[in-house]
Amino acid sequence: EIVLTQFPGTLSLSPGERATLSCRASQSVSTNYLAWYQQKPGQAPRFLIYGASSRATGIPDRFTGSGSGTDFTLTITRLQPEDFAVYYCQQYGSSPLTFGGGTKVEL
Amino acid sequence: QVQLQESGPGLVKSSETLSLTCSVSGDSISSYYWGWIRQPPGKGLEWIGYIYYSGSTNYNPSLKSRVTILQDTSKNQFSLKLNSVTAADTAVYYCARGPYCSSARCDEPHPNFNLWGQGTLVTASS
Repeated sequence: EIVLTQFPGTLSLSPGERATLSCRASQSVSTNYLAWYQQKPGQAPRFLIYGASSRATGIPDRFTGSGSGTDFTLTITRLQPEDFAVYYCQQYGSSPLTFGGGTKVEL
Repeated sequence: QVQLQESGPGLVKSSETLSLTCSVSGDSISSYYWGWIRQPPGKGLEWIGYIYYSGSTNYNPSLKSRVTILQDTSKNQFSLKLNSVTAADTAVYYCARGPYCSSARCDEPHPNFNLWGQGTLVTASS
């Protein structure tokens, strides 16, 4: 099983700042099958990034995914008020599918 | 517009079976991956399992002995059964759609989840 570790656990930032979120895998993620999700309180997760770096339909270009192998990053440039949320990574290169523990981006 | 809606009892007695249905509108469940994910209160996401075109399934080994996912193409629904529940199974349960997968091809070997239902809280209690 691939264990995904996200850090930091919490990121305290202000609107307009840049957020850098990390996701580290315990072993290489096949073909960079790594996704990112955003979740706000009381809501279902929202699909942001797939294939480590491809934005899902309708996702603003301030969200950028990067990385390969075992180290992946989600960067949010110019934080907007609606971006304050919890972010999860998920690997889908091998079974069992696994999620990271999440990073909370707070004001 | 594709929509997913979970339904089922919000309270299940310990040792009994949790049963949920995901109704899909705007898309055929004969294509795509369809999955179940859960989230205990205040905690992270846990993949439960998924089903795809021919009714083939893949389950999380940590739950495999207790989980069954089935599809009903006539109703365009898929379902989750989790038996012998305990308090540790208390969670918000989400159904979700993955990438395209049919008898002709699957876009990915396993799914990410690009569209989610709103989720339903299931409490397992004695």
